[in-house]
Amino acid sequence: AQKVTQAQTEISVVEKEDVTLDCVYETRDTTYYLFWYKQPPSGELVFLIRRNSFDEQNEISGRYSWNFQKSTSSFNFTITASQVVDSAVYFCALIGGSARQLTFGSGTQLTVLP
Amino acid sequence: DAMVIQNPRYQVTQFGKPVTLSCSQTLNHNVMYWYQQKSSQAPKLLFHYYDKDFNNEADTPDNFQSRRPNTSFCFLDIRSPGLGDAAMYLCATSRDVRGGKDEKLFFGSGTQLSVL
Repeated sequence: AQKVTQAQTEISVVEKEDVTLDCVYETRDTTYYLFWYKQPPSGELVFLIRRNSFDEQNEISGRYSWNFQKSTSSFNFTITASQVVDSAVYFCALIGGSARQLTFGSGTQLTVLP
Repeated sequence: DAMVIQNPRYQVTQFGKPVTLSCSQTLNHNVMYWYQQKSSQAPKLLFHYYDKDFNNEADTPDNFQSRRPNTSFCFLDIRSPGLGDAAMYLCATSRDVRGGKDEKLFFGSGTQLSVL
């Protein structure tokens, strides 16, 4: 069975603060893929990043960075110098080799205040 | 330009009155998905099509049906909507699901369904 836990239901920060969104996952598969999606108020989920289980290299894309640690089964997402436009719900998701579909976490509502 | 288009953005129907939601894509992707998302919850997969091959999730109610007349279009039919079916319905596509599970999904903006 697969499970994704996003313990932070809501986070509020002030613009320019850094913020980290936590994601902890469970799977028995040795091969799996992890994703982050952003859902702004407009509704559509937007793909942010994909990681496979054999690639623990952290990634940075502009103000976004991701820390993948298999030892703690975590795939955390950090936004540096947050902006109001970052306000959205962020979903972490997992699909393992034996699964038929993505398992989403329950999402973290991020509010960035001006 | 939107690549996965859902119409309408908001849909109101009456309890028990059939309703159809539509989705179209310009990506020529093989796979189309329908997700149901209730307020403050994660999206829940209802079913997906791999080309014309329909794949229903085990816990999707019989009340929900889908049609995919061609590559570009996919419809979600709710035969007798109940109050519990009020939700956001998201359509998504991916290039392939069998070739590799790392395929990212492209989502539409969703249709917010209200049931009166």
